[in-house]
Amino acid sequence: DGGITQSPKYLFRKEGQNVTLSCEQNLNHDAMYWYRQDPGQGLRLIYYSQIVNDFQKGDIAEGYSVSREKKESFPLTVTSAQKNPTAFYLCASSADRANEKLFFGSGTQLSVL
Amino acid sequence: GESVGLHLPTLSVQEGDNSIINCAYSNSASDYFIWYKQESGKGPQFIIDIRSNMDKRQGQRVTVLLNKTVKHLSLQIAATQPGDSAVYFCAEKSGGYQKVTFGIGTKLQVIP
Repeated sequence: DGGITQSPKYLFRKEGQNVTLSCEQNLNHDAMYWYRQDPGQGLRLIYYSQIVNDFQKGDIAEGYSVSREKKESFPLTVTSAQKNPTAFYLCASSADRANEKLFFGSGTQLSVL
Repeated sequence: GESVGLHLPTLSVQEGDNSIINCAYSNSASDYFIWYKQESGKGPQFIIDIRSNMDKRQGQRVTVLLNKTVKHLSLQIAATQPGDSAVYFCAEKSGGYQKVTFGIGTKLQVIP
C-alpha cells in the first residue's frame, strides 16, 4: 500500500538531547512537510521541501532542522534549542509543489522526560 | 470555530442526524479550501475540497459549502455515524505556492 510512514509513534527526549523523527513516503510525491500539533490548536508548519536537496523554513522553524537527501525521506531533528518540544508531530506530502491535498502520516508524539 | 485555548469547539449529534461543522477563514485571497478529519492519535485524512469558483461540492455523505462574501466554509455530514466521531479541520490556501493554513478544528461527538 502506498502511504507515509512515521516512526517512532512515541518518543521521549531528555533535556539537552537532539532527537530525530523519521518520515518516509512511497507515493512518489515531490513535496513533503512537517507540522506540529498542540492540544486545541491548528497545525503549524515547521519546515517544507518542494524537491530533493531543497527545503524552506515554515512558521516555527526555530529549534528544528531537516534534510531532504532522498525523495522518499524527510527526517526532522528536534534540537536542544527547542525549549518546548512536547507535541504531536505530523509529516505530510503532496503530489505537486502547489501544496494541494496533503497526505499525512500517523504522527509521532514527542514528550520530554 | 473560534480559538478557545486548549478547548476545542465541540458538536454533539445524535446518530442518524445530519451534522454541520462551520469554519470562518481569514484570507479573502484564498482560492482553495480543504476539510480534513482527524481521529484520535492519527494523522488528518482528506475528506473533500472546493475551489473558490464554486459554492458547493458534494461527496459521499458529505457536502462542502463556500460563502466567499462572509468568508465562511461549512461541512455537512448526512446521516452521521459513530465512525464520524473525530476532529474536523478546515484549511485554506491562496494562489501559487502558498502554505496551507489550518483552523483549530471542531470535535464531532456522535451520540449512539
